[in-house]
Amino acid sequence: ETVLTQSPATLSLSPGERATLSCRASQGVNGHLHWYQQKAGQAPRLLIYDASNRASGIPARFRGSGSGTDFTLTISSLEPEDSAAYYCQLRSNWPPSWTFGQGTKVEIK
Amino acid sequence: EVQVVESGGGLVQPGGSLRLSCAASGFTFSAYSMNWVRRAPGKGLEWISYISPSSTTIYYADSVKGRFTISRDDAKNSLYLQMSSLRDEDTAIYYCAREDYDRIGSFDYWGQGSLVTVSS
Repeated sequence: ETVLTQSPATLSLSPGERATLSCRASQGVNGHLHWYQQKAGQAPRLLIYDASNRASGIPARFRGSGSGTDFTLTISSLEPEDSAAYYCQLRSNWPPSWTFGQGTKVEIK
Repeated sequence: EVQVVESGGGLVQPGGSLRLSCAASGFTFSAYSMNWVRRAPGKGLEWISYISPSSTTIYYADSVKGRFTISRDDAKNSLYLQMSSLRDEDTAIYYCAREDYDRIGSFDYWGQGSLVTVSS
C-alpha cells in the first residue's frame, strides 16, 4: 500500500506570501494524485486532480505539480480565505484503497 | 446542482450500531461510484469504504472491515453505511463522497458530513 507523507505539518504565513506544500509517496504514483482543501466546519473540496489540473472554480493561485513520488501544491499569493487543512490523496489498485496524506494546516497570520 | 446530504449520525454506546444515509440529487446516481470518508477529532481524512455502480464491487479499509457494511439503493438515489460493533475510535464526522467518473480516484462532490459519537 502506498503511503503519502505531507510536509510541513503546519505552515504559518502572511497574506500575499507564497505557500509550498509537499506530498511524498512511498512508491511511484501513476499521476492520479489529487489535492483537497478543508476549511474549519466545512466539507473537503477538490482543488487539483491528476497532480496539476485545477478543478472547476478553483482560483489560478492554486497550482499543482510533480510526478513519480514527489508532488507539490503551491498557493502563489495567500488570501485570508486560504486558511485551511490541505490533503493529498491517491487511489491504489492493490490492495484497493484510497489513501490520504496526514494533511498540512495553513494558517494566515 | 449536484448535492449529497448525509443523515443518521448521533450518540451511540461502544458496541452499538448506527446506520448512516446519504441522499444524492442533481446527477445520475446509478452511474457513479460512491465512498464514505471520515475525519476523527484532531486527525486527518480517512477513506473507509467504496461501492461501484450496481454494487458489483465493494471495498473496505482494514479499520472497519467486518464491522461496517456499505450499500446503495439506486431507485432511491441513496447510499448507506451500516455500522456495528462501534468503538470509541469510530467517533468522527462521516462524509459521503462521489468518485469522479473521469478523474480516477478523485472525489469531486462531498456532503457536509454526519457526526457519529461513540461514548458511554
